[in-house]
Amino acid sequence: GENVEQHPSTLSVQEGDSAVIKCTYSDSASNYFPWYKQELGKRPQLIIDIRSNVGEKKDQRIAVTLNKTAKHFSLHITETQPEDSAVYFCAPNSGGYQKVTFGTGTKLQVIP
Amino acid sequence: DADVTQTPRNRITKTGKRIMLECSQTKGHDRMYWYRQDPGLGLRLIYYSFDVKDINKGEISDGYSVSRQAQAKFSLSLESAIPNQTALYFCATSPGGRETQYFGPGTRLLVL
Repeated sequence: GENVEQHPSTLSVQEGDSAVIKCTYSDSASNYFPWYKQELGKRPQLIIDIRSNVGEKKDQRIAVTLNKTAKHFSLHITETQPEDSAVYFCAPNSGGYQKVTFGTGTKLQVIP
Repeated sequence: DADVTQTPRNRITKTGKRIMLECSQTKGHDRMYWYRQDPGLGLRLIYYSFDVKDINKGEISDGYSVSRQAQAKFSLSLESAIPNQTALYFCATSPGGRETQYFGPGTRLLVL
């Protein structure tokens, strides 16, 4: 099955700084790369995703970059705000009939 | 809006009791999942179902069972609850193909 690792496990940044979270995966068949955000006490929700035929995707202050050769993709948050404080999960997958494996999560704290 | 709902939202039970957590969805998705989340930890897959006639064990299925009563309903049972099953339980759905997962609001379970 897919082996998924996220780094770092915790990250503290000053408000306004950038944050980067990296997800490494093992299954070369993976072709869909989502990031989920889970605020305290809430459900995880998709915030951005990318397909394997695209190297980068941006949506306002968040972006995802993909390096398929090295089997990793990263979440970038610029101009961080306190409301970005949450746990972020990656979940690379190939669709089909394989179960989805989530990364172990990264707890981001944005310090005002 | 199409959604994923879970009942109950909170439950306190005693060791040895059998309990059922229910999940319903109006998204029209074929695939449904049950996850467990412990404090400060990630999402661990308990069971998943790709359609009404399909049930698969996840990484932590011992002590749990499921029933897929219809496309829209997927129930999780704890046969004989024990304290280390105290956790937050999430149901999720996906449309297949591109494996974006849509989570319910979660059920907080406390086993005394």
